[in-house]
Parts: sequence; C-alpha cells; structure tokens
Amino acid sequence: AQRVTQPEKLLSVFKGAPVELKCNYSYSGSPELFWYVQYSRQRLQLLLRHISRESIKGFTADLNKGETSFHLKKPFAQEEDSAMYYCALSGGAGNMLTFGGGTRLMVKP
Amino acid sequence: EAGVTQFPSHSVIEKGQTVTLRCDPISGHDNLYWYRRVMGKEIKFLLHFVKESKQDESGMPNNRFLAERTGGTYSTLKVQPAELEDSGVYFCASSQRSGRFSGNTIYFGEGSWLTVV
Repeated sequence: AQRVTQPEKLLSVFKGAPVELKCNYSYSGSPELFWYVQYSRQRLQLLLRHISRESIKGFTADLNKGETSFHLKKPFAQEEDSAMYYCALSGGAGNMLTFGGGTRLMVKP
Repeated sequence: EAGVTQFPSHSVIEKGQTVTLRCDPISGHDNLYWYRRVMGKEIKFLLHFVKESKQDESGMPNNRFLAERTGGTYSTLKVQPAELEDSGVYFCASSQRSGRFSGNTIYFGEGSWLTVV
C-alpha cells in the first residue's frame, strides 16, 4: 500500500527564515512525488514534481529514496508563501494521487 | 482558458436526501478524477475516468456514490442517500494524459463543499 505522511500540521516561521516542510512516503515501486499548494480562497495547484528537478517560487524538493522522503525547502520564506501544502505520490498505471494530510505554513512578518 | 469548474460550490442537505455534484474539466482533457476530503482526513482518491470509461473506481466508498461521464465531457457525482459522514469537500481534477512519469499536470477545481445535516 502507498502512504504519504506529513508530520507537521502547522509550521510557523518568520519572514526571511528558512523553511522545510517534511514529507515521507511508503511505496513498493518507483514513486512519482509532487508538492501541491492551496493558497487562501484558491484552488489546489501543482507547485513542483520531483522528475522536473526545478525550483518554483524559490522552493525545491529532492527525492531521497534511501530515507523515503521528499521534503520541501525554501531558504528565505516570504509572507505570500503562507498556504496549505500537500505532498502527494503517484503510483499505478493512472495518475491516481495519494495525498498526505497537509501542512499549513504561516509566515509571520 | 477556463479551468476545471465545479457546481455547486456549497450544498447543505439533510441526511437521506440526494445531491448531485457536477464537474466540467478543462476542454480537451480526456482524464477526469474525483477526490474528496472529509473532516480531519486526507484528500482521498475516488475514481478516474478516461473519456467516458471508468478507469479506476477503487476509491469509491460504497454504492451510495455513483459517478457518470456521459459523452466523455462533464461528469456528475451523485450521493444517494447522503449520510452525515459524507460531509466534506469534493474535488474534481482533469489532465490531458495519464500514466506515471508522463510529465502530465493534473488541474484541480475549487471543490464542492457538501454538508449533510
């Protein structure tokens, strides 16, 4: 069975501080990992995916197969980063996503 | 380009009643997905359509839930009869292609909030 765990429900940091949102997964095959973000009053949207190895809005995430983790990092948090962040895993033939419980990031001024 | 649209945005119904949620995917997207988040739980997959065919309905909780996608365009998700535990947010999503590592992006709608009282 596949499972995604986000241990922190809430993460509060000050503007300019580094931020790391943790994500651990369990999956027997080769996973495809994603981070989705939901800003206040907006729809869920893709932030980044591990296969792209890109940086979006200053965020990066590296897939660590040894530790089965896909933590989301940003060196200097901004107030506009405040949102709900979901880690998700895709397994199987289709695009079915398994989501973690989400972490609410609050960036204080 | 219009995104995934869902209707209604909010619905309050009594236990035992029927509710039908509608989703219009992005034009040209053959893949349509339903997900839901009930109170305090993770967002969970319900089912996946490829055009009008159900590709995967392993997440449908029970036979009170019926999803259709006639003609391969919009989709409806009917809950009949609704129970208290069905309360939550129902998300629809669509994508052009499916399959892992396809570089494909799944686009979500804003969700339909369902409250069963």
